[in-house]
Amino acid sequence: DIQMTQSPSSLSASVGDRVTITCRASQSISSHLNWYQQKPGKAPKLLIYAASSFQSGVPSRFSGSGSGTDFTLTISTLQPEDFATYYCQESDSTPYTFGQGTKLEIK
Amino acid sequence: EVQLVESGGGLVKPGGSLRLSCAASGFTFSINSMNWVRQAPGKGLEWVSSISSSSAYIYYADSVKGRFTISRDNAKNSLYLQMNSLRAEDTAVYYCASTTVTTWGIFDYWGQGTLVTVSS
Repeated sequence: DIQMTQSPSSLSASVGDRVTITCRASQSISSHLNWYQQKPGKAPKLLIYAASSFQSGVPSRFSGSGSGTDFTLTISTLQPEDFATYYCQESDSTPYTFGQGTKLEIK
Repeated sequence: EVQLVESGGGLVKPGGSLRLSCAASGFTFSINSMNWVRQAPGKGLEWVSSISSSSAYIYYADSVKGRFTISRDNAKNSLYLQMNSLRAEDTAVYYCASTTVTTWGIFDYWGQGTLVTVSS
C-alpha cells in the first residue's frame, strides 16, 4: 500500500499569511494526488485534484503542485474561513490512502 | 446542485449488522462511480469501498473485506453499504462520496455523514 505523509501536522498562521503544506508519497503516484479541506463537524470538501486542477468554486488563493512523490498545497493569502484541517489523498491505486491531516490554526 | 444524503447509522452491538444508504440527486448517478469513506472519532479519513457505475468493478479496504458489501441501485439513485460482523473499530462517521470526474479515486462531492457506533 502507498503511504502518505503530510507535514506539518499542525500549523499556526495569521490572516494574510502565505501557507504551504507538503505531502509525500511512499512511491511515485504520478499526478494522482488530491487535497481536501475539512471544518469541524462537516464533511470534507475537495479543493484540488490531479495535483493541480481546481475543483469548481474553489477560490484561486488555493493552488497545488508536484508530481511523483512530493506535492504541495499553497494558500496564498489566508482568509478567516481557511482555518481548518487539510488532507492529501492518493488516487493512484487502492486503497486510496489519505495523509494524517494538517490542522491550520489561527495564531 | 449535487446532494448526497446518508442514512441508516446508529448504535449496534459487536458482531451485529447495519445497512447504510445514500440518496443521490443533482447529477447523473448512473454514470458515475461511488464511494464510502469513514472517519473514526477524532481521527483522519479512511477509504472504505468503491463501486463502478454498472457495479462491474468493486473494491474494498482490507479492514472491511469479507464483512462489508457495497451496492447500488441506479433506478433509485441510491448507494448502499451492508456492514456485517461489526467491530468496535468500525465506529466512525461514514460518508458517501461521488466521483463525477473521469478518474477513479477522486471524491468530489460528499454527504453529511452518518454515525455508526459499535458498542455493547
